[in-house]
Amino acid sequence: EADIYQTPRYLVIGTGKKITLECSQTMGHDKMYWYQQDPGMELHLIHYSYGVNSTEKGDLSSESTVSRIRTEHFPLTLESARPSHTSQYLCASRQGVTTEAFFGQGTRLTVV
Amino acid sequence: GESVGLHLPTLSVQEGDNSIINCAYSNSASDYFIWYKQESGKGPQFIIDIRSNMDKRQGQRVTVLLNKTVKHLSLQIAATQPGDSAVYFCAEKSPGNQFYFGTGTSLTVIP
Repeated sequence: EADIYQTPRYLVIGTGKKITLECSQTMGHDKMYWYQQDPGMELHLIHYSYGVNSTEKGDLSSESTVSRIRTEHFPLTLESARPSHTSQYLCASRQGVTTEAFFGQGTRLTVV
Repeated sequence: GESVGLHLPTLSVQEGDNSIINCAYSNSASDYFIWYKQESGKGPQFIIDIRSNMDKRQGQRVTVLLNKTVKHLSLQIAATQPGDSAVYFCAEKSPGNQFYFGTGTSLTVIP
């Protein structure tokens, strides 16, 4: 079992609200990732981090921000939620040069 | 919200048959290619990887083939079982440590 956790599992929120999706891992992995995945669709990279105080934008990053103040924690913030943000958000981590990334269970976000 | 992107291709196989799942990648500079399995309601799980300087790698019941000439990757599953039913994604790791996933394939195993 992977030690990577996402909260909340499900979230329904109104348009315009600010939300933060939490992701924590206890494996000490240096690299962490956020992906967006619509049901039955491909994964899109939103943000990634190589380590503490390092963050980079992926393909879908323009409407969200991340921070990496601690190794184990990589929260994703949407400043103003919109219905187009309705999706599943997956957090992942891996260590060093390994290719095995561990994924959390995901957060299913619905913006009404 | 409106979904944007490609719907997943599907593959149905009889239990016990071999499955072949294909993937096209885009970045010639990727140094590793990886296959992930995603079961319903879960995050993807690592299956097997292959380094870009290899053309074949075998694991337990799985074989990955890499054809760099046509930028094609395939996953072969031997003696497919009902527990293999899932969505399979290929991913590529860039030298810059970005991790990009391709369009997945939904595999259904018919008992």
